[in-house]
Amino acid sequence: DAGVIQSPRHEVTEMGQEVTLRCKPISGHDYLFWYRQTMMRGLELLIYFNNNVPIDDSGMPEDRFSAKMPNASFSTLKIQPSEPRDSAVYFCASSLRDNSPLHFGNGTRLTVT
Amino acid sequence: SQQGEEDPQALSIQEGENATMNCSYKTSINNLQWYRQNSGRGLVHLILIRSNEREKHSGRLRVTLDTSKKSSSLLITASRAADTASYFCARGGSYIPTFGRGTSLIVHP
Repeated sequence: DAGVIQSPRHEVTEMGQEVTLRCKPISGHDYLFWYRQTMMRGLELLIYFNNNVPIDDSGMPEDRFSAKMPNASFSTLKIQPSEPRDSAVYFCASSLRDNSPLHFGNGTRLTVT
Repeated sequence: SQQGEEDPQALSIQEGENATMNCSYKTSINNLQWYRQNSGRGLVHLILIRSNEREKHSGRLRVTLDTSKKSSSLLITASRAADTASYFCARGGSYIPTFGRGTSLIVHP
């Protein structure tokens, strides 16, 4: 298996622009998670899905953030409009079932200028 | 907070020495998981210990769990320069896997 695939690997954008991050989970995994990692706040859970349904989005910082999972093999995290404080590494992870180990992608490093 | 908290924040040792990292948590768990993160990469799962287990081994890794103290430790024996990474614990319980800030381990050759 290729593992969790995220794209793009790096994204540099200007404040106010829309940013879309993409994730392909491991086939057969029921859970998908979006995390954000910064030096200041560590690794924060933003939202997670079970069988394509959003279960908990309490970690999504603002209405500017939205996430979708239209099918079992694809998810997006969108920021509109982006702000400099959104600069971080965004990780997608998937797991087979409840309480199973997480498999992480290599992240998208987002820089908003 | 339901997250695990790792201690120490940073650890610097010589190759061949053992490295011990600790994790504390606040609520009940089904299991506790340890992960490693190399610079610029995603987290990689190392080992999972269930709440009814007290110790688990995997190669040079040894994990202990004390549910009465709500703590776990990760021991890396005979460390290598390639073990340089950040190490995180995650609590598995009522399923929202959250992480602490991790322990940054540097192993000097």
